[in-house]
Amino acid sequence: AQKVTQAQTEISVVEKEDVTLDCVYETRDTTYYLFWYKQPPSGELVFLIRRNSFDEQNEISGRYSWNFQKSTSSFNFTITASQVVDSAVYFCALSEAQFSGGYNKLIFGAGTRLAVHP
Amino acid sequence: SAVISQKPSRDICQRGTSLTIQCQVDSQVTMMFWYRQQPGQSLTLIATANQGSEATYESGFVIDKFPISRPNLTFSTLTVSNMSPEDSSIYLCSAGTGDGDTQYFGPGTRLTVL
Repeated sequence: AQKVTQAQTEISVVEKEDVTLDCVYETRDTTYYLFWYKQPPSGELVFLIRRNSFDEQNEISGRYSWNFQKSTSSFNFTITASQVVDSAVYFCALSEAQFSGGYNKLIFGAGTRLAVHP
Repeated sequence: SAVISQKPSRDICQRGTSLTIQCQVDSQVTMMFWYRQQPGQSLTLIATANQGSEATYESGFVIDKFPISRPNLTFSTLTVSNMSPEDSSIYLCSAGTGDGDTQYFGPGTRLTVL
């Protein structure tokens, strides 16, 4: 069965520290997608990244970077030089692809609440 | 990416009443999804809304409690029926836009049931 585990419930850091949010997933399929979403205090869910199971290349976007390792079924998210505006709940999610097209439901992890203090 | 809007953004309702939440997408999409996020919790899928067919409900969610409509490729509604305080949650709709499996989310409807 599909499952996403975010073991870190809450993380508290001081501004400018680097922080890594862990995500471990379980799936029996060879084709799947992994996602990270950010939920700031306002409540909306902001898409950050999508990665398919065939692309293990790490990705960097500004202060954000993602490390995908199929060998350990992990898709970790690092924020470099954190800022107060990074304070939010971050969700990792898994979706299995449909070969016929369309979209499958997202299985979300429990989320990690990140607090960045000045 | 799609722009998704929801109405209302928040509401306070009395026990036993019903509330219909609207979700509008700025482009045509195949599937729309409705999620519930209980206070301090993660998101749980309620149902998948397909245009022209009945919605597909996840385990633990039933049509009588959460009827869904999908009249066209850009719009869907979720009704929370016969509400109780346990229904107090954020309800979010999402949609896929064609660029792979990325789902974009609406801003959510924050529901409080007294």
